[in-house]
Amino acid sequence: GAGVSQSPSNKVTEKGKDVELRCDPISGHTALYWYRQRLGQGLEFLIYFQGNSAPDKSGLPSDRFSAERTGESVSTLTIQRTQQEDSAVYLCASSLIDNTEAFFGQGTRLTVV
Amino acid sequence: AQSVSQHNHHVILSEAASLELGCNYSYGGTVNLFWYVQYPGQHLQLLLKYFSGDPLVKGIKGFEAEFIKSKFSFNLRKPSVQWSDTAEYFCALRTTSGTYKYIFGTGTRLKVLA
Repeated sequence: GAGVSQSPSNKVTEKGKDVELRCDPISGHTALYWYRQRLGQGLEFLIYFQGNSAPDKSGLPSDRFSAERTGESVSTLTIQRTQQEDSAVYLCASSLIDNTEAFFGQGTRLTVV
Repeated sequence: AQSVSQHNHHVILSEAASLELGCNYSYGGTVNLFWYVQYPGQHLQLLLKYFSGDPLVKGIKGFEAEFIKSKFSFNLRKPSVQWSDTAEYFCALRTTSGTYKYIFGTGTRLKVLA
C-alpha cells in the first residue's frame, strides 16, 4: 500500500470491554512497531515484530495487552477489559529490515468511558 | 537504559526567528538518530536522520541537525521559521543491536506566530 493504514481511526468503548486495533503496514516491510501516545506525552514503545515473531514485547503494560501479526503483514493489537487509563492514541509503524526509517500510520484514538 | 531527552516542551517563536530544539540521548552503542514532525491532524513524518558520516545532516523544509557524539546530542535547527512549521517535533534513537526499536523523546510543541 501507499502508507501504513490503521483502523478504526477512532474508537469509543465502555470500560471492561475488549478492543482490537488493526494495522496494515507498507507492503514488504518486515519490521512493525506499536506505540502508545497519551495526551501530552511522548511515544511509549509497546511491541516490535520482525516478520511474524515478536522479539521485544517489553513495552506491553500488562497482560491485558496482546498483539499478533500474520503473513508478515497485518497486525492486531488487542486490549482486554479496557480501563480508562488505556485511553490514548495507538500508533503503528513499519520499516524495511535494513532501512532504519520507520513510517507511521495516522493512529487509532481510543477513548474508554 | 536507553533514553531520549528533549528539554523544551513548548516553544513560541515569531516568523523569521531562528530555531534550535535540544535533544540528548543515552545509549551505550552505535545509534541511529531521527527527528520526526507531527503537523496538526497529520501523522508523524520523518524530518531527517543520522546514521553515520557527516555529523551535520540536512532534512526537508530547511531543517538540519548536528550530531555531537561527545555531548550525546542531536539538536535540531532552522535559521528562519515559518508559520507552517507549527507542529510537534520528536527526537528519536533506534538501537542498532537487539531488537532495533525506536525510543522517542517526549516531544516539543512549536508554535510560530505569523
